[in-house]
Amino acid sequence: QKEVEQDPGPLSVPEGAIVSLNCTYSNSAFQYFMWYRQYSRKGPELLMYTYSSGNKEDGRFTAQVDKSSKYISLFIRDSQPSDSATYLCVTGNQFYFGTGTSLTVIP
Amino acid sequence: EAQVTQNPRYLITVTGKKLTVTCSQNMNHEYMSWYRQDPGLGLRQIYYSMNVEVTDKGDVPEGYKVSRKEKRNFPLILESPSPNQTSLYFCASSSSGRVSYEQYFGPGTRLTVT
Repeated sequence: QKEVEQDPGPLSVPEGAIVSLNCTYSNSAFQYFMWYRQYSRKGPELLMYTYSSGNKEDGRFTAQVDKSSKYISLFIRDSQPSDSATYLCVTGNQFYFGTGTSLTVIP
Repeated sequence: EAQVTQNPRYLITVTGKKLTVTCSQNMNHEYMSWYRQDPGLGLRQIYYSMNVEVTDKGDVPEGYKVSRKEKRNFPLILESPSPNQTSLYFCASSSSGRVSYEQYFGPGTRLTVT
């Protein structure tokens, strides 16, 4: 079983839509949960992180962790074409990356 | 500007011809690592270094070597590249060691081995 499982998509939504990206993880001991964003031909960059469980909001982005179900979510409100990228969930005391979900926001 | 640089960005080579991909960071980070990114497999760690002269294997170290003689540099060496090492490679660094929420990634090196 992989440490982190992520739906690869691709996901295509119209501008202004609410986007939900999800991952599951295997080890209940994991405490750090991150979302990285990767634009085409670029390296990943940290978007948000949470420690332990709960929600964290940053502008249009909300990261959510449900430790009881080992579920990680990223919500994007009022999605913009500039949000088009691959989103990687990351967890573990060392970095375990999901395979990434490719998102396209259509103007 | 704080950054991680990699060279070359693109490389096409033949099986068995030794190559080195350089990585340098200007943030005085102690922790550095190398990843490869393949479709459907995500990012997998090859090697990491906690500090100068301290390196350790990640999840997929076979066929790779690294060295950390200076804090800012962490080159990746393929002594005898094979086609299954065709991939997109990223170098990353962090100020907070291996248990950290943020790593800074370089722009990537796309390697093709024929």
